[in-house]
Amino acid sequence: GENVEQHPSTLSVQEGDSAVIKCTYSDSASNYFPWYKQELGKRPQLIIDIRSNVGEKKDQRIAVTLNKTAKHFSLHITETQPEDSAVYFCAATSSMTTDSWGKLQFGAGTQVVVTP
Amino acid sequence: DTEVTQTPKHLVMGMTNKKSLKCEQHMGHRAMYWYKQKAKKPPELMFVYSYEKLSINESVPSRFSPECPNSSLLNLHLHALQPEDSALYLCASSQAVGRGGLLWANVLTFGAGSRLTVL
Repeated sequence: GENVEQHPSTLSVQEGDSAVIKCTYSDSASNYFPWYKQELGKRPQLIIDIRSNVGEKKDQRIAVTLNKTAKHFSLHITETQPEDSAVYFCAATSSMTTDSWGKLQFGAGTQVVVTP
Repeated sequence: DTEVTQTPKHLVMGMTNKKSLKCEQHMGHRAMYWYKQKAKKPPELMFVYSYEKLSINESVPSRFSPECPNSSLLNLHLHALQPEDSALYLCASSQAVGRGGLLWANVLTFGAGSRLTVL
């Protein structure tokens, strides 16, 4: 099955700086890579996702890049703000068969702390 | 309506109790999920229902019994739980495109969760 590794486990940044979180995956069949943000006591919320037919996607201050050859994908947050403080989870799944498309494999998570 | 609603928000139960967690969505999604999340850990998949049929059971102990009575509702029946089952139980839903062949991956919408404490 799919295995997703996520680094770093904690990330402290000054407000206004950039933050980068990296994930690697093992299953070359994986073709969907979402990122979820979970604030303390709240539900995971999708912040951005990328599919295997593109290499980069951007949404305002957030961007995700995908390198299929190296099997890794990264989340980039620019101009960080205190409200970006949360746990961020990367995930991967393959939608190729009915056996796999429900199995979203999460990384271990990154605690991001943005200090003013 | 773009939400997944879970009840109750908090549940405390003894090891001999029987209780149920409920989940509801009205987005027309035909795939629904139960995840378990321990503190400071990622969500772990428990069950997936596709078109009201159980399609994935991730070797979950039988003291957890899922039920999907219709396309909008998902229940998780709990019986004889252990203290280590204490966790946040998250329901999620997504569109389900087709039943076989090439499926385009789905965006999951999570509910706020039911925090379960087993004494």
